[in-house]
Amino acid sequence: DAKTTQPTSMDCAEGRAANLPCNHSTISGNEYVYWYRQIHSQGPQYIIHGLKNNETNEMASLIITEDRKSSTLILPHATLRDTAVYYCIVPRPSNTGKLIFGQGTTLQVKP
Amino acid sequence: NAGVTQTPKFQVLKTGQSMTLQCAQDMNHEYMSWYRQDPGMGLRLIHYSVGAGITDQGEVPNGYNVSRSTTEDFPLRLLSAAPSQTSVYFCASSTDIWGETQYFGPGTRLLVL
Repeated sequence: DAKTTQPTSMDCAEGRAANLPCNHSTISGNEYVYWYRQIHSQGPQYIIHGLKNNETNEMASLIITEDRKSSTLILPHATLRDTAVYYCIVPRPSNTGKLIFGQGTTLQVKP
Repeated sequence: NAGVTQTPKFQVLKTGQSMTLQCAQDMNHEYMSWYRQDPGMGLRLIHYSVGAGITDQGEVPNGYNVSRSTTEDFPLRLLSAAPSQTSVYFCASSTDIWGETQYFGPGTRLLVL
């Protein structure tokens, strides 16, 4: 997997947008950016992925810079239930099944 | 759909005992995988399968066996449990054969004494 760099922790006020950054400067042209999260004691949960265009689904939005070297996951209206560890992953297409979960960003949503 | 289910939720073993962690999915996914997560650490891939009859090793396969006789089931076997295998085990399945969009089960907490 391409190396990703995320802040260790972030805080966000409930109801506000949470913007989680990720650097992936070594990403290759055919590699996607994936975001997962893990709420305490639960299995990881897929959130969203993208290649070069911005993506949005019912959970979040993903903004990828034009040079693709960084991205931002946006939770538009964070709730207390969004408190979790968020992982930015860039799987290498040849590495079947080998998602590398690093340390991620611990997001604390506060009332 | 029940999604990915795992049994048991919690298990205590003595060193040297064997057991099988069960994993099943009802989404007809070809790709399935097993991860372990130690306290304060990220997930590490143990074994994965891209379809019935096909399995391969991940990062930390030693001490674990898998088989895939059906699309739905992917059991993980510990042949002789060791305290180093105390961990939380997650099973996942994927909509794609590369295993990039994975859906995880609730986990099995294993304590080896």
